[in-house]
Amino acid sequence: SQKIEQNSEALNIQEGKTATLTCNYTNYSPAYLQWYRQDPGRGPVFLLLIRENEKEKRKERLKVTFDTTLKQSLFHITASQPADSATYLCAPGGKLTGGGNKLTFGTGTQLKVEL
Amino acid sequence: DAGVIQSPRHEVTEMGQEVTLRCKPISGHDYLFWYRQTMMRGLELLIYFNNNVPIDDSGMPEDRFSAKMPNASFSTLKIQPSEPRDSAVYFCASSAGGGGTDTQYFGPGTRLTVL
Repeated sequence: SQKIEQNSEALNIQEGKTATLTCNYTNYSPAYLQWYRQDPGRGPVFLLLIRENEKEKRKERLKVTFDTTLKQSLFHITASQPADSATYLCAPGGKLTGGGNKLTFGTGTQLKVEL
Repeated sequence: DAGVIQSPRHEVTEMGQEVTLRCKPISGHDYLFWYRQTMMRGLELLIYFNNNVPIDDSGMPEDRFSAKMPNASFSTLKIQPSEPRDSAVYFCASSAGGGGTDTQYFGPGTRLTVL
């Protein structure tokens, strides 16, 4: 069955450093992958989408890579700020056997940016 | 737009009682998703609708769960009878398209506690 793995342990980094979060998937060949941010007590909020034919995508201080050979996506936040502290969810998606385009979410990695 | 609206925000009930969660998607969105989030299992897709029609309910855990979408602006998720293991945060999300590359917009969630 499909499996999506994100670091279950929280990631603590210092303000100004680059945070790198990992998303690995197995038994799966997604056509795209989305990243979401979730703050406590709130629903996830979309950040970035990357397609299988794209190696890298950027948006302001965010960068996402997608390696279909390694079956891995990396999510980077450069010049991190305390306001970036949140849980980040990866969600591979694509047409599945039997039809349907739906996202499958990882359990998320909690990021804490300290002063 | 007000975004996806869910009610109630919190629900505490006793085992065996019926629970009804409500969702109003963003106007004009054709897809509606119901998710459940727990610490152990993360964010799981329960069911999704396209144009008010259920497309994939393979994530619905058992017959005690049912979902309806009587019109484009309203959906319900019902649990009858409820059990303590149903305690979780339930999210509703909507998207303009179902291509999977479409952004999903999540509501604030309903925190359900079954005693």
